[in-house]
Amino acid sequence: GAGVSQSPSNKVTEKGKDVELRCDPISGHTALYWYRQRLGQGLEFLIYFQGNSAPDKSGLPSDRFSAERTGGSVSTLTIQRTQQEDSAVYLCASSSPGTGLNQPQHFGDGTRLSIL
Amino acid sequence: KQEVTQIPAALSVPEGENLVLNCSFTDSAIYNLQWFRQDPGKGLTSLLLIQSSQREQTSGRLNASLDKSSGRSTLYIAASQPGDSATYLCAVKWGSARQLTFGSGTQLTVLP
Repeated sequence: GAGVSQSPSNKVTEKGKDVELRCDPISGHTALYWYRQRLGQGLEFLIYFQGNSAPDKSGLPSDRFSAERTGGSVSTLTIQRTQQEDSAVYLCASSSPGTGLNQPQHFGDGTRLSIL
Repeated sequence: KQEVTQIPAALSVPEGENLVLNCSFTDSAIYNLQWFRQDPGKGLTSLLLIQSSQREQTSGRLNASLDKSSGRSTLYIAASQPGDSATYLCAVKWGSARQLTFGSGTQLTVLP
């Protein structure tokens, strides 16, 4: 079946502009995660959704970052007034309800964001 | 602080060799541990997930083990092939969190 789909695959924008990144999880997956991977660094957790609610926003680096999820499916990560340090690959993952927390996370190919 | 460490950062082996990748973690109260591979410019591909109650998981030429008491996991790759070249990431889910905490990865190169 289809995996996690992210768009755009690449985004180049000027400093100060707003950007929207989209994630379409695997059908039926209720949990959705956003991570960030800066060049040469490990993955950092940004935000977690269960259904349409976001019980854990602890990883969002500043108030310029926001995310929403509608219909328990597609999620959008928005970065306002982008800065050069926002340049990174933004990865989305989803997991099925399953039993408790013991479900693997499946990742998309990411959006490579470059801020000029 | 809950952290995941992977050593070495890079490893190069000749084709056909069996190899072991290491992952260590602080705080033994894990929920599960997941191994991924990441190819250049690509997302993460899930390889194996070990639940806290398990000691190992196997998939084809891959075998992952878990020793919670020592805070360690290993990924064993048998008869390595050039197609195995990638960065291998270890990630832990602790019971108090929903997200995964990642190590910085081991970049594996299998030479033909």
